[in-house]
Amino acid sequence: DGGITQSPKYLFRKEGQNVTLSCEQNLNHDAMYWYRQDPGQGLRLIYYSQIVNDFQKGDIAEGYSVSREKKESFPLTVTSAQKNPTAFYLCASNQGASSTDTQYFGPGTRLTVL
Amino acid sequence: AQSVAQPEDQVNVAEGNPLTVKCTYSVSGNPYLFWYVQYPNRGLQFLLKYITGDNLVKGSYGFEAEFNKSQTSFHLKKPSALVSDSALYFCAVRDENSGNTPLVFGKGTRLSVIA
Repeated sequence: DGGITQSPKYLFRKEGQNVTLSCEQNLNHDAMYWYRQDPGQGLRLIYYSQIVNDFQKGDIAEGYSVSREKKESFPLTVTSAQKNPTAFYLCASNQGASSTDTQYFGPGTRLTVL
Repeated sequence: AQSVAQPEDQVNVAEGNPLTVKCTYSVSGNPYLFWYVQYPNRGLQFLLKYITGDNLVKGSYGFEAEFNKSQTSFHLKKPSALVSDSALYFCAVRDENSGNTPLVFGKGTRLSVIA
């Protein structure tokens, strides 16, 4: 987990509220990623960014938004349009220079909708 | 398209016995293959990767993986399992021609090591 921090560790949201999950890295990595993890479904890609001020949708981007204003930060907003947001959210990063790059993960944020 | 299959949702092994967690992949070019481990309520930890060269890759915590191009497999192995190895294991792939795109992950295999 070293080098990538996610906050908060646990987050509770009421229906209809937007919430923002923080992801910060001090590894000087260009590329950053957000995944959602549900039991039995593995990891599903939400958004990724290969460079500052640019990002691409992943497989399940609906109901989520991101920004990449700084190299070290890639916050994820879970909007009220996301129908079933209760899940474990993982942020990752890698150098971004090569297809051999290893992705490193943060410790995760568990979001629960009340 | 790139894909990874982990055919077993759950693997049970007795402590001290060898363990194998299976992974097969599909890519159009040459594969770059990765194994990660996840403990409860934690992020994924990198174990090892295959890029090129020796088909047997050694990684963290005594784990190794064998790349088999003809069988398109990259099985994770350990000669003697520990109870502390009990966790969720993910295999991932990236095609050499895909550039710096996100890794494609399998659905994970839960390993239980029984004392």
